[in-house]
Amino acid sequence: GAVVSQHPSRVICKSGTSVKIECRSLDFQATTMFWYRQFPKKSLMLMATSNEGSKATYEQGVEKDKFLINHASLTLSTLTVTSAHPEDSSFYICSARQVAKNIQYFGAGTRLSVL
Amino acid sequence: SQQGEEDPQALSIQEGENATMNCSYKTSINNLQWYRQNSGRGLVHLILIRSNEREKHSGRLRVTLDTSKKSSSLLITASRAADTASYFCATDATGTASKLTFGTGTRLQVTL
Repeated sequence: GAVVSQHPSRVICKSGTSVKIECRSLDFQATTMFWYRQFPKKSLMLMATSNEGSKATYEQGVEKDKFLINHASLTLSTLTVTSAHPEDSSFYICSARQVAKNIQYFGAGTRLSVL
Repeated sequence: SQQGEEDPQALSIQEGENATMNCSYKTSINNLQWYRQNSGRGLVHLILIRSNEREKHSGRLRVTLDTSKKSSSLLITASRAADTASYFCATDATGTASKLTFGTGTRLQVTL
């Protein structure tokens, strides 16, 4: 399958700081990427759809000013958690959609811990 | 919530046995996909079945889809310890611009 790289894999930060997570599709161009959040032993919840060259589309209940998404190129989307708080601690996973196969390929995830 | 339900929530079997996981969903779909997740890792795509397909095979995996019952099943034959993981179904609902809605997942434990 296609490769999606997500970085960093783990980050620990102090409350009030901002954290940027990168998601790259390494072997295909992705006009659409997705950001998910996953709580322990739970399913994935879609946070937002990242569209190359335009604004992201956020799911209901997700604060767009809190979770800033930028999709500046066909291979890179970033999620910035601004002014992080302990309740933002979670596992964040990105995916990139390969149009030809209509399959989302996932990154390895980022474990965010806010102290 | 539009999230699908999977059962069982957890399944423990011995190596060599077959494992069956079921998924139910609520909306009309373009396709249904199954993913696997090892603990603390990302998801690996296993198989995609389109709404006009009823059964699909890939190696030791067999997926069925019944759109009239809005349900799907994933069968893993001759399971191995390395199959231990969480398995999720995900639906690509019509009119949602290819967004996936994930089921609640089944945690599979395969013991030697």
